[in-house]
This record gives sequence, structure tokens and C-alpha cells, in this order.
Amino acid sequence: DGGITQSPKYLFRKEGQNVTLSCEQNLNHDAMYWYRQDPGQGLRLIYYSQIVNDFQKGDIAEGYSVSREKKESFPLTVTSAQKNPTAFYLCASSTGALTGELFFGEGSRLTVL
Amino acid sequence: AQSVSQHNHHVILSEAASLELGCNYSYGGTVNLFWYVQYPGQHLQLLLKYFSGDPLVKGIKGFEAEFIKSKFSFNLRKPSVQWSDTAEYFCAVSNSGTYKYIFGTGTRLKVLA
Repeated sequence: DGGITQSPKYLFRKEGQNVTLSCEQNLNHDAMYWYRQDPGQGLRLIYYSQIVNDFQKGDIAEGYSVSREKKESFPLTVTSAQKNPTAFYLCASSTGALTGELFFGEGSRLTVL
Repeated sequence: AQSVSQHNHHVILSEAASLELGCNYSYGGTVNLFWYVQYPGQHLQLLLKYFSGDPLVKGIKGFEAEFIKSKFSFNLRKPSVQWSDTAEYFCAVSNSGTYKYIFGTGTRLKVLA
């Protein structure tokens, strides 16, 4: 089945540690996205990538980093510089056509202890 | 900067009641508009989208939305809700010039049986 796989589903980390969230898609989509979902704040864009080896900051990129070395993969690193990292993280992809919709993974819940 | 406003944060309805959820956006150019739904424990999925043509768009599960350009609005409607419509609903906007998708803060709908 085609889709987006995020792992791990749940993750705990200690303060001061970096953690990397995985996102893989087999939809052959060009564009990939990372959002953060917090109660009452909706989805906020962290980073997005329109094509391999290229990515742009979203509205809340501070404390996060990404890479896009392969079309199907777009990992997100939550660094120790992110002041409030406990959240639900969603990865999405789209065909890259400007009228295309986003397809979402099931999300990763990160808790910082 | 682009933004999306959803004025109803929590809505409680009885089954068979009519539903209208508000969505307003701020962007002067050509936009694509989306409504997504997140059922409890499930990933976000597309309800409907508008990118051109008839401003009244029909989606899945009996939902529809009307794009009113002069009001910068894209309200979601359903004539008769069911208990299974209990979910969180998100409005989103992308513009034809970039690949950014901006989401509203979401509306939690609870339908009482």
C-alpha cells in the first residue's frame, strides 16, 4: 500500500538530547512537509521540501533541522535548541502540483522528560 | 503573511443538526483551499478542496464548502450531522505561488447521539 510512514510513533527523550524523527513515503511525491500539532494551535509548518536536496524553513523552524537526500525520505531532527519540543509531529507529502493536496502520516509523539 | 482563521474552536451538536464551520484566510492572490478532518486516533485526511471553477465544492461524507472570494471565506457545511462526524476539522490554504500550506487552529466537533 502506498503511503507515508513515520517512526517512531512515540518517543521520549531527556532535555539536552537531539532526536531524529523518520518520515518515508512511497507515493513518488516530490514535495514533503513537517508540521507540529499542539492543542488549540492547529498545525504549524516547520520545514518543507519541494525537491531533493532542497528545503525551506516554515513558520517555526528554530530548533529543528531537516535533510532531503532521497526523494522518499525527509527526516526531522529536533535539537536541544528547541525550547518546547514536546508535541505531536506530522509528516506530509504532495505531488508538488500547486493544486495538489497533502497526504499525512500517522504522526510521532515526542515527549521530553 | 498568509494566515487562516477558524473562529469556532469547539462545537457541540445533536445528531441531525446542521453544521457550518467558519474559515477565513488572508491572502490577496490566487489560493487553493482545503478542509481536512482528523477522526479520533486516525491520521488527517482530505474532506474536500477548491482550486478553481464552481465555488461550491462537494466532498466526502456529505460535506460541502463554498468559496466566497469577496469575503475571503471557505466555510464548511453539512445539512445533517451524524455521531460519526465527531472529529477535529482543519481549514488550510495554499497559494499558487508557493508550496506552503497554512492551516487554521482547528475546530473540535462533538456530535451527541
